[in-house]
Amino acid sequence: GENVEQHPSTLSVQEGDSAVIKCTYSDSASNYFPWYKQELGKRPQLIIDIRSNVGEKKDQRIAVTLNKTAKHFSLHITETQPEDSAVYFCAAFMNRDDKIIFGKGTRLHILP
Amino acid sequence: EPEVTQTPSHQVTQMGQEVILRCVPISNHLYFYWYRQILGQKVEFLVSFYNNEISEKSEIFDDQFSVERPDGSNFTLKIRSTKLEDSAMYFCASKGRPNEKLFFGSGTQLSVL
Repeated sequence: GENVEQHPSTLSVQEGDSAVIKCTYSDSASNYFPWYKQELGKRPQLIIDIRSNVGEKKDQRIAVTLNKTAKHFSLHITETQPEDSAVYFCAAFMNRDDKIIFGKGTRLHILP
Repeated sequence: EPEVTQTPSHQVTQMGQEVILRCVPISNHLYFYWYRQILGQKVEFLVSFYNNEISEKSEIFDDQFSVERPDGSNFTLKIRSTKLEDSAMYFCASKGRPNEKLFFGSGTQLSVL
């Protein structure tokens, strides 16, 4: 079945700097890649997603890139702010399996 | 924005007891899911449900687990005989079409004593 690897598990960056989180997936049939942000005790919230027919997508300070050949996708957060501190999960989805598989998460700390 | 609602927000039960976790997916959605998250760990897929039947389930979803859509609005997860290791946050989720955004409920924190 699909497996999603996520790195790093913890990331600390200075406020204003950029943060990058990377994921790889195992099944080349995966065609949809969402990213979720989860604050302590809250539900995962979708922050951005990308489909397999697109290489990059941007929404204000957040961008996601996808390399289908290498089966890599990454989340980029620029000009980080304190409210960006949270756990971020990447995920991959395949129509045929009808399930979204999550990575293990990255705990992002924004340092003052 | 429409929301997936879950009840109760917290559930405490004794080991061996049955629990039912309840979810009301977004009204026009057709695909329903249960996920769980043990404290500090990743979100794990349990089961997907479409057209009144299970479409996919994980190894976690053994014979102690069942799902049901008893009417046009509710989607329930039953754990027949709870174990200590079932303690986790359980999230219900739904979406309208296969490649659409997945909406999560606020979760039920299950504590098995």
